[in-house]
Amino acid sequence: AQSVTQLGSHVSVSEGALVLLRCNYSSSVPPYLFWYVQYPNQGLQLLLKYTSAATLVKGINGFEAEFKKSETSFHLTKPSAHMSDAAEYFCAVRESGGSNYKLTFGKGTLLTVNP
Amino acid sequence: NAGVTQTPKFQVLKTGQSMTLQCAQDMNHEYMSWYRQDPGMGLRLIHYSVGAGITDQGEVPNGYNVSRSTTEDFPLRLLSAAPSQTSVYFCASSPGGGLSPLHFGNGTRLTVT
Repeated sequence: AQSVTQLGSHVSVSEGALVLLRCNYSSSVPPYLFWYVQYPNQGLQLLLKYTSAATLVKGINGFEAEFKKSETSFHLTKPSAHMSDAAEYFCAVRESGGSNYKLTFGKGTLLTVNP
Repeated sequence: NAGVTQTPKFQVLKTGQSMTLQCAQDMNHEYMSWYRQDPGMGLRLIHYSVGAGITDQGEVPNGYNVSRSTTEDFPLRLLSAAPSQTSVYFCASSPGGGLSPLHFGNGTRLTVT
């Protein structure tokens, strides 16, 4: 079964600093990969998804993620953090091929942005 | 377009009581699923459905039942609530698999005393 590991349950950055949230998946066949964001007391919203058209994927709110097959990684970055980026971020994976629907989530990384 | 609607938003139950969490979507999505979210555990899949009349178990199905009589609705039933079921529950749907993202409801916060 697919699994996904998010390194660091809590990341704290200063406003304007680089944001780097790590995600590694466990599969020899690249799965479908997603990043979601959850603001306090809300459901999850899609930030971006890997489509295989390009290894660098741009999402909403200035976030982007780079797919690296050799490292089985899909890390999320943003060049300059904003206070409004404070939220919990989840990496998710869906097996490729066939009629696979299930999405498996990592345990999440809580991003704190300090003024 | 309401998307995925969950009711109620909050619920308190006593141990042993039963209840149904409601989920409805108006996007004609074939896939629907229920997750529970607990601190430090991420989201764990409880049950899912790939169409009306078809359901299957996820990672943590014990203590929960589901049914899918229509495309729109996917209720989650707690048969005999236990304190371990205190959690935030999310319903999510998608038009299919592959690259189709999940659309989430706003969640139901359940406390079992």
